[in-house]
Amino acid sequence: GESVGLHLPTLSVQEGDNSIINCAYSNSASDYFIWYKQESGKGPQFIIDIRSNMDKRQGQRVTVLLNKTVKHLSLQIAATQPGDSAVYFCAENFNFNKFYFGSGTKLNVKP
Amino acid sequence: GAVVSQHPSRVICKSGTSVKIECRSLDFQATTMFWYRQFPKQSLMLMATSNEGSKATYEQGVEKDKFLINHASLTLSTLTVTSAHPEDSSFYICSARDPGLGVTDTQYFGPGTRLTVL
Repeated sequence: GESVGLHLPTLSVQEGDNSIINCAYSNSASDYFIWYKQESGKGPQFIIDIRSNMDKRQGQRVTVLLNKTVKHLSLQIAATQPGDSAVYFCAENFNFNKFYFGSGTKLNVKP
Repeated sequence: GAVVSQHPSRVICKSGTSVKIECRSLDFQATTMFWYRQFPKQSLMLMATSNEGSKATYEQGVEKDKFLINHASLTLSTLTVTSAHPEDSSFYICSARDPGLGVTDTQYFGPGTRLTVL
């Protein structure tokens, strides 16, 4: 299930299950979005992106859904693996290449 | 994807000293780089945009005299934390966009620098 920690909400899933991580973005003018994965002590790693003229984009084991009406993004990870454990951030772009990050969700994959 | 490096990866300094952090794009030229700060269990906060050959632009609330940015070449941007204090202790991360990739606006991030001010 999903719980709210001190600063980061945490999503715990069983290995092999699908994960859905949600993000609410702030600016209706945002036209480009990226999901990043950040492991402890490391910089963010690009996962998948989507432009505002799309509502869905698929990658390898990951899918991003965009709902502009409610300013909502989601990241779906299929067959979650222990290596997927990390903090996931969505980032929005609305000011010429500047990205603003959401608050993040910690994904904990249980073996 | 494009590779961005940072140096040092970790630095400990005394209060009142200045610390320089380097950000390099290794296999591409970046006219624009970005500097972020991240406190424990929090998100990345954009501090400033570093523009090659011109002054950096700072986000609201970020002191330009405190965080000096120099982008002297197309592959190097530096962030200097001047007169560092314990509250400046944080994880500093840079990113760069690879214009050679065409229409994508994807930013690639460095591995981060952990600054601890005693």
